[in-house]
Amino acid sequence: LAKTTQPISMDSYEGQEVNITCSHNNIATNDYITWYQQFPSQGPRFIIQGYKTKVTNEVASLFIPADRKSSTLSLPRVSLSDTAVYYCLVGGVAAGNKLTFGGGTRVLVKP
Amino acid sequence: NAGVTQTPKFQVLKTGQSMTLQCAQDMNHNSMYWYRQDPGMGLRLIYYSASEGTTDKGEVPNGYNVSRLNKREFSLRLESAAPSQTSVYFCASSEHPGRGVADTQYFGPGTRLTVL
Repeated sequence: LAKTTQPISMDSYEGQEVNITCSHNNIATNDYITWYQQFPSQGPRFIIQGYKTKVTNEVASLFIPADRKSSTLSLPRVSLSDTAVYYCLVGGVAAGNKLTFGGGTRVLVKP
Repeated sequence: NAGVTQTPKFQVLKTGQSMTLQCAQDMNHNSMYWYRQDPGMGLRLIYYSASEGTTDKGEVPNGYNVSRLNKREFSLRLESAAPSQTSVYFCASSEHPGRGVADTQYFGPGTRLTVL
């Protein structure tokens, strides 16, 4: 599995856009990029997944540059309820069923 | 749909005791997983079952056993609990075996286990 690096923590305020960048310099051709969100005392929840360019859903956007060595999760207009830990995962079919969660990024949204 | 359910929610054991953590999913998923999460850390895979009738070791299998009882249920057993096994245990399921990160995993609410 490709190793990922993300900031340990980020602070933001309600209504702002939060961007979390994940570095994955050794990403393989077949690897996908997936983000999970985890609230305290809960299991992780799938947010978004992409392979290249931009992906958007009702919760977030995922920006992936052409070289795919990094990706940015964008959370528009965050609220207090977006306070959570966000995990970037990189891998694909070759990795089998195994997800490897790093330390994640702790996002604190302040009023 | 309840999704992924786990029992119990909390458990306190003494060193050397045994217990089984139960997990069930109602999404007709093929693959199921057990993870542990220590305080302030990411999740680590203990065991997984790609499909009914198969199980494989993950990153940290020592001290644990699993049973894929049927397509819905996947249990995790601690035969002789140790304080190092104090953690939060999450069960997950996914639809497609062998898809790795490309597949979406759905997680249960977790079991908080303390071993004294």
